[in-house]
Amino acid sequence: EAGVVQSPRYKIIEKKQPVAFWCNPISGHNTLYWYLQNLGQGPELLIRYENEEAVDDSQLPKDRFSAERLKGVDSTLKIQPAELGDSAVYLCASSGYLEGDEQFFGPGTRLTVL
Amino acid sequence: GEDVEQSLFLSVREGDSSVINCTYTDSSSTYLYWYKQEPGAGLQLLTYIFSNMDMKQDQRLTVLLNKKDKHLSLRIADTQTGDSAIYFCAEKGTGGFKTIFGAGTRLFVKA
Repeated sequence: EAGVVQSPRYKIIEKKQPVAFWCNPISGHNTLYWYLQNLGQGPELLIRYENEEAVDDSQLPKDRFSAERLKGVDSTLKIQPAELGDSAVYLCASSGYLEGDEQFFGPGTRLTVL
Repeated sequence: GEDVEQSLFLSVREGDSSVINCTYTDSSSTYLYWYKQEPGAGLQLLTYIFSNMDMKQDQRLTVLLNKKDKHLSLRIADTQTGDSAIYFCAEKGTGGFKTIFGAGTRLFVKA
């Protein structure tokens, strides 16, 4: 079974440029998460989807960040415009209806803003 | 708000036991987790414990939960160099589906 797929793995952009990250969750997983992981920190939730509905986006900086999950499968996270402080790893995770509600993480996209 | 705290570093010799500790603040936690992250990879669930349990053992891993003190520990028996990684403690409360992660403990295993 394929795991959570993310692309690109690495992205380097100049500040004020736009950037987008893509995530393909594990087949059948209804819940999809986007996390931000700063260096030396644990993941922090940006947004959670149940199918195509964003049910928790309270930590998403909506002035520059947007996300969508079309048809309740793949998801895209966008930053426009990017700032120096956005340099971090962006992790996507998904979960199904399993005991313990285990989240399966992708490898992440490492963003560097110059 | 909810918070999860861990020590930042732990160094052990190969073959010894490792004990990684974590404290949390949410008294309504339902599940508590231990995730492992290797360089350049996402997090991988190692084990979890339901809040009404005191202990859970899974091969080399033993999880102890002290709900009164809001303290969680992960013991790795016979630690190997391949266990070198960052270990994250996390908790999920009953207030929603939000999982709160600690900052991670970096485990170094010396051969």
